[in-house]
Amino acid sequence: DTAVSQTPKYLVTQMGNDKSIKCEQNLGHDTMYWYKQDSKKFLKIMFSYNNKELIINETVPNRFSPKSPDKAHLNLHINSLELGDSAVYFCASSQDFGANVLTFGAGSRLTVL
Amino acid sequence: SQQGEEDPQALSIQEGENATMNCSYKTSINNLQWYRQNSGRGLVHLILIRSNEREKHSGRLRVTLDTSKKSSSLLITASRAADTASYFCATDAGADSSYKLIFGSGTRLLVRP
Repeated sequence: DTAVSQTPKYLVTQMGNDKSIKCEQNLGHDTMYWYKQDSKKFLKIMFSYNNKELIINETVPNRFSPKSPDKAHLNLHINSLELGDSAVYFCASSQDFGANVLTFGAGSRLTVL
Repeated sequence: SQQGEEDPQALSIQEGENATMNCSYKTSINNLQWYRQNSGRGLVHLILIRSNEREKHSGRLRVTLDTSKKSSSLLITASRAADTASYFCATDAGADSSYKLIFGSGTRLLVRP
């Protein structure tokens, strides 16, 4: 199946821990994104990479560090987790930079206790 | 900052009725998109309308765009229970930021059988 897949789907952890979410797309897209959806369903862009190069960083705390080892993968590492980090994190991809019809993953629900 | 805002926030209709959702945005755009999100899932692209288009159809979906009023509407005709979902409009941030897609907080649609 062609898709954007992200793991894990659910993540429950304690405040102060470090966690990672992985994302892979097999669509051959050049551009990948991380979005955060809060409890009110508001979806906000966090990062975007085009061909492994960071092109958008939306004033996200530097506890969040994205990494793109190749254009098919975009991982999100979060250090020193805080209660306010609890949200659903969505990975997405688009054909190229500016094409901006997005294909989303199913989301990773992070709960920080 | 939030670009698009949907109205109403929630809508409940009977199966077979039409559902209309509205989106307003603040700055000039190159295109506007509508996405659907089923509960616990990722967003799925429905339709894209360019700034020089006024109306677009896709199956039971009809989207209009009024750039003078900076608004768009999504009409779902002959609704079905399976249309129950949240619907989001998304806009690019204009000529300088066409790579950044900004979402509103969505309209939650409930179609009662």
